[in-house]
Amino acid sequence: DQQVKQNSPSLSVQEGRISILNCDYTNSMFDYFLWYKKYPAEGPTFLISISSIKDKNEDGRFTVFLNKSAKHLSLHIVPSQPGDSAVYFCAAVMDSNYQLIWGAGTKLIIKP
Amino acid sequence: DVKVTQSSRYLVKRTGEKVFLECVQDMDHENMFWYRQDPGLGLRLIYFSYDVKMKEKGDIPEGYSVSREKKERFSLILESASTNQTSMYLCASSSSGQGVTEKLFFGSGTQLSVL
Repeated sequence: DQQVKQNSPSLSVQEGRISILNCDYTNSMFDYFLWYKKYPAEGPTFLISISSIKDKNEDGRFTVFLNKSAKHLSLHIVPSQPGDSAVYFCAAVMDSNYQLIWGAGTKLIIKP
Repeated sequence: DVKVTQSSRYLVKRTGEKVFLECVQDMDHENMFWYRQDPGLGLRLIYFSYDVKMKEKGDIPEGYSVSREKKERFSLILESASTNQTSMYLCASSSSGQGVTEKLFFGSGTQLSVL
């Protein structure tokens, strides 16, 4: 049973518009959430993270929102750029257990 | 620039062969990890290591073993390769400095095909 779910395998967005990638989780014990970005033929790279004590974290064009009651987080990219085209993975971790639990990923395509 | 290097980008092996995947990091990180990535399943942890000569099983250790004789090197071994081990293998490392908030640094991956 997947504890971290990314229900959209792919998402297509026009350049300049907002991209919203979603992630749902089932385990309320998760303390920390991370987003990684992966280009083809490269390993994932860390993008942004959020602690469970916060509901929002912002870094430039990237903002992650956490809704603990809904067990849902989202990554907003504004404005979307062609270089944002990649696979985005959501991951969660508990403080008591260092293992990251990963979602299946969402492929984001930014159309010019 | 920090780096995690995996020895092979592509590898083709036959069923029953013993396969070695090598990973080296130059960041003096304590923690090293081996994941496999399959479509629709995300990344699944095979094994990890918090220190030299130490290893811990991840979610899917069956059919795999690991070796960490030096801090910078973490090897994944497929004792007898099978077709269901065809996958993208990703090595990662992290520092123990801040616990769970420490981000992972990944290698570029090895696409293994077992025929």
